[in-house]
This record gives sequence, structure tokens and C-alpha cells, in this order.
Amino acid sequence: DQQVKQNSPSLSVQEGRISILNCDYTNSMFDYFLWYKKYPAEGPTFLISISSIKDKNEDGRFTVFLNKSAKHLSLHIVPSQPGDSAVYFCAANAGGGNKLTFGTGTQLKVEL
Amino acid sequence: DTAVSQTPKYLVTQMGNDKSIKCEQNLGHDTMYWYKQDSKKFLKIMFSYNNKELIINETVPNRFSPKSPDKAHLNLHINSLELGDSAVYFCASSPASGMKGYTFGSGTRLTVV
Repeated sequence: DQQVKQNSPSLSVQEGRISILNCDYTNSMFDYFLWYKKYPAEGPTFLISISSIKDKNEDGRFTVFLNKSAKHLSLHIVPSQPGDSAVYFCAANAGGGNKLTFGTGTQLKVEL
Repeated sequence: DTAVSQTPKYLVTQMGNDKSIKCEQNLGHDTMYWYKQDSKKFLKIMFSYNNKELIINETVPNRFSPKSPDKAHLNLHINSLELGDSAVYFCASSPASGMKGYTFGSGTRLTVV
């Protein structure tokens, strides 16, 4: 039972345009969400997070939007750069515990 | 100066063998984890230790045994390896609460032949 879903396995975007990565979740107990970025042969690295008390969090070129009623979040990257090409994982946490539940990732390719 | 280091990076072994993967973190974090990324790219938690104490044990075959000699180390021992154990195994650490996010190691690609 996959509680965090990233339905697009890949996304291709031109440099300078906006990248939008989507994530859906089913567990209503999730109250904290994170995005991780992963390059080949490396571990995932933390990118940005959002608490369920907010609907938006911004950090430079990265913005995460949360729609609790739809159980949906998205990561916007603008402008996209070739160095953003990586796999992006959505993750969720319930009640401040230690366990993160991850989605299957979306491979983003930013083309020149 | 690697924050979370795991060794080896690659491991190829025959079915039935016993192998260990080591993990060390120098971040002073209280909690360490093992995650498995299978062929479908699904990152799934296996174990979590807080200050050497097991706090999360997901449904994992008992051929997998984590060992935490101190809070900076969490090793994973696997007995009687099977083909289905082939995956990338990631070690991670975090402060007491996972809400601040994990720091991951670079992964160990295990191939069972």
C-alpha cells in the first residue's frame, strides 16, 4: 500500500522554464512533507519542507505548495537549470515521529 | 569529511552468503536508519535506531539484523542472501525527530547472483 505517490516517473523541461513535480498522499495523519533531490550514485539530499499548517513554503528558486483537502503537494522550480536534473522524491511524516514515507521519485531532466 | 558514510559502495555476492554493510555518521545525530530502494525505485524504511535502541522495525525478514554498537554506527548484517535482496541500501541519520529531515549516505548497491 503506497501512501505517497509520484505518478510521473519522468519530466523534461527546457532551461529557464518552470518545473512542476507532483505528489499525492493517502494517509490523513501525515502532517509534514519534504522534498529530496538525488543525483546518480549519491544519497538523497534534503531540499525543502512544509508543515500542514501552511500551504506554501518558498526557498529561492524552489517553492512547495500543499493542498490538504486534495492530499496533494507540488514542487515548483523556477527558473529551471541544467544542474536541477536529478530524481526528486516526495516524503511525508506523521506526528513528528522518526519515520519518513517516500514516493517513488520523478526523474527531472532540464534541457538546454 | 563525509557526514554519513557507508561501506562498501558496491557488493556482489552469491546466494546463500552472509554479508554486512557498515554505516557511520559524524553529525552527532541521535537516530539512524536503514532504507532499501528496490528495482521499482521505492525507498522503504527497514529499521531505525535511537541512541542504540531499536525504535522502528518494519516487516523485514529476520535474515536482516541491524546492530548499533554506539549512536554513531548502525551496521546491517544479512544472512543467507537471496536474489530478491538485490537493491540499493541507504543509511541515514537525523536529529531525534525526523521532521528536520534525514542526511543520507551515498548508498550500497547489493547484487546477489
